[in-house]
Amino acid sequence: AQTVTQSQPEMSVQEAETVTLSCTYDTSENNYYLFWYKQPPSRQMILVIRQEAYKQQNATENRFSVNFQKAAKSFSLKISDSQLGDTAMYFCAFSPQGGSEKLVFGKGTKLTVNP
Amino acid sequence: SQTIHQWPATLVQPVGSPLSLECTVEGTSNPNLYWYRQAAGRGLQLLFYSVGIGQISSEVPQNLSASRPQDRQFILSSKKLLLSDSGFYLCAWRDYAGQPQHFGDGTRLSIL
Repeated sequence: AQTVTQSQPEMSVQEAETVTLSCTYDTSENNYYLFWYKQPPSRQMILVIRQEAYKQQNATENRFSVNFQKAAKSFSLKISDSQLGDTAMYFCAFSPQGGSEKLVFGKGTKLTVNP
Repeated sequence: SQTIHQWPATLVQPVGSPLSLECTVEGTSNPNLYWYRQAAGRGLQLLFYSVGIGQISSEVPQNLSASRPQDRQFILSSKKLLLSDSGFYLCAWRDYAGQPQHFGDGTRLSIL
């Protein structure tokens, strides 16, 4: 069974600075997808970034980028130029390729951006 | 564009009462549909998923059931709610393989 571990329950960062959230996963699959979702206080789940395991190039979306290390089964999220609106719970999620492609989530990291 | 609607947003129910939460998706055909539950301070746990009309897969044994009577409609039900059914319920959909799941706004369910 796949598992996703986020070892940082809470983190804080000053506005305009950079922060990195950690995520590791365990799987015997070779083809899969990894995601970071953001859940602000409104509790809506918002996709931040997506990575396909077969791609060596790290995904980027504006101020968000990942460091994907397939051999180490690590998938960290870097947020640059942090903004107050980035304050949220961040969830790392794994999805095997094929079939239902159901998501397995980590327990989340609560990020607070301070002014 | 695709949209997902989930209702009600908030629900307070007594123990032993029935439950029906509804989720509909617009702007796509034959999506995969998912029901998740999020306990306080926890990540999301997959409850059910469906790859087509009438096709339901259950991930965990529980007091809940799901149905998909139409292509873009997914219903979460219970005949008798338990205190442990309290939580935040999220519906999600995905269209093509490899695409991310997109979530509804969720239902906060409180059992008294």
